[in-house]
Amino acid sequence: SAVISQKPSRDICQRGTSLTIQCQVDSQVTMMFWYRQQPGQSLTLIATANQGSEATYESGFVIDKFPISRPNLTFSTLTVSNMSPEDSSIYLCSVVISSGANVLTFGAGSRLTVL
Amino acid sequence: GENVEQHPSTLSVQEGDSAVIKCTYSDSASNYFPWYKQELGKGPQLIIDIRSNVGEKKDQRIAVTLNKTAKHFSLHITETQPEDSAVYFCAASGTGGFKTIFGAGTRLFVKA
Repeated sequence: SAVISQKPSRDICQRGTSLTIQCQVDSQVTMMFWYRQQPGQSLTLIATANQGSEATYESGFVIDKFPISRPNLTFSTLTVSNMSPEDSSIYLCSVVISSGANVLTFGAGSRLTVL
Repeated sequence: GENVEQHPSTLSVQEGDSAVIKCTYSDSASNYFPWYKQELGKGPQLIIDIRSNVGEKKDQRIAVTLNKTAKHFSLHITETQPEDSAVYFCAASGTGGFKTIFGAGTRLFVKA
């Protein structure tokens, strides 16, 4: 299984600012995803991070608000732009290692609080 | 699109008792059903999964059953222990992509 490191683990941010979350995997992975988990809620897929091309966003999420980069097979970033209190959530990086299975492995998450 | 419903939202059991969490899914094309456990301050961790060609799978104290006809699947935890206390998520995904849809979660409390 892969080991996923996310930074920062938590942060308190001011309204209107942007924050970039980093996800580093200890091995090359097929797929990388970003999920949002609002307080006490389930996990919602934001986008699939595609290596060397633009991310694929789910309904309700747009690139201007959540720009994503994936320069190689082990690293991705998610930026939460122009933050508002409604963006206070845990943001989780997730990967699929093998193309033959849908097994997701998650990082510990980045807990953002927007004041 | 796929929708996964999970019940109950909260479950409290006495240590040593069994716990059952139930999920239903809507997309008949779904063929992979994982269960995740999320402890406080951590990311979800896969604890067991089942594929659509199997009706039941067991791993020590946990088991999962799948009824494809009814589109139901369930998690069974026997001989519960305080360390089983966590939030449990069921999920479903299908062929042709890796998109996984999660249930709303069940907060399990195991009382010592």
